[in-house]
Amino acid sequence: GNSVTQMEGPVTLSEEAFLTINCTYTATGYPSLFWYVQYPGEGLQLLLKATKADDKGSNKGFEATYRKETTSFHLEKGSVQVSDSAVYFCALTRSNRALYFGTGTSLTVIP
Amino acid sequence: DAGVTQSPTHLIKTRGQQVTLRCSPKSGHDTVSWYQQALGQGPQFIFQYYEEEERQRGNFPDRFSGHQFPNYSSELNVNALLLGDSALYLCASSPGTALNTEAFFGQGTRLTVV
Repeated sequence: GNSVTQMEGPVTLSEEAFLTINCTYTATGYPSLFWYVQYPGEGLQLLLKATKADDKGSNKGFEATYRKETTSFHLEKGSVQVSDSAVYFCALTRSNRALYFGTGTSLTVIP
Repeated sequence: DAGVTQSPTHLIKTRGQQVTLRCSPKSGHDTVSWYQQALGQGPQFIFQYYEEEERQRGNFPDRFSGHQFPNYSSELNVNALLLGDSALYLCASSPGTALNTEAFFGQGTRLTVV
């Protein structure tokens, strides 16, 4: 079946630190991969996506590369800000008819 | 553009009762999906509606049913509520069912079953 395994949280970093949130997936065929973010008091928002192997998605300084050989889609940011504090969800879809989400990783960035 | 709107924002029901949650999709979107997000978990896919028909369904019992109206808005109905149905229910809309179109989420309805 389709599933996503995400790094457990919560994660606490100092401002300007490097961020990595690990995500691995299990899926038949070639899924599309996503990172969604949920800021406090807001709905889920798409952060970035990649639709085929070796694609790199990027947005707001965040990046993730679709690695088929390791079935991974790790989220990275070189220098986090306080405003990046949120819950991050890795997700996949095989047909755009259902998104399969990981359990989420809570990130807190302290000044 | 109001985005995806859900109502009500919070709801408390008694075990065994029935509940209806509502969703208005983003303007121009004709596909609506529903997700259940338990506390501390990621959203779980319930079902998706397109052209007023259920197109795909996740691993949820028949107590969960839905409907899509001609204006693309949608309802989620849950019968015979259980304590375990307490969760945040999210609605997502997208333009059609083409691969990789972005899904936009509402802020959800927080359902508490007591």
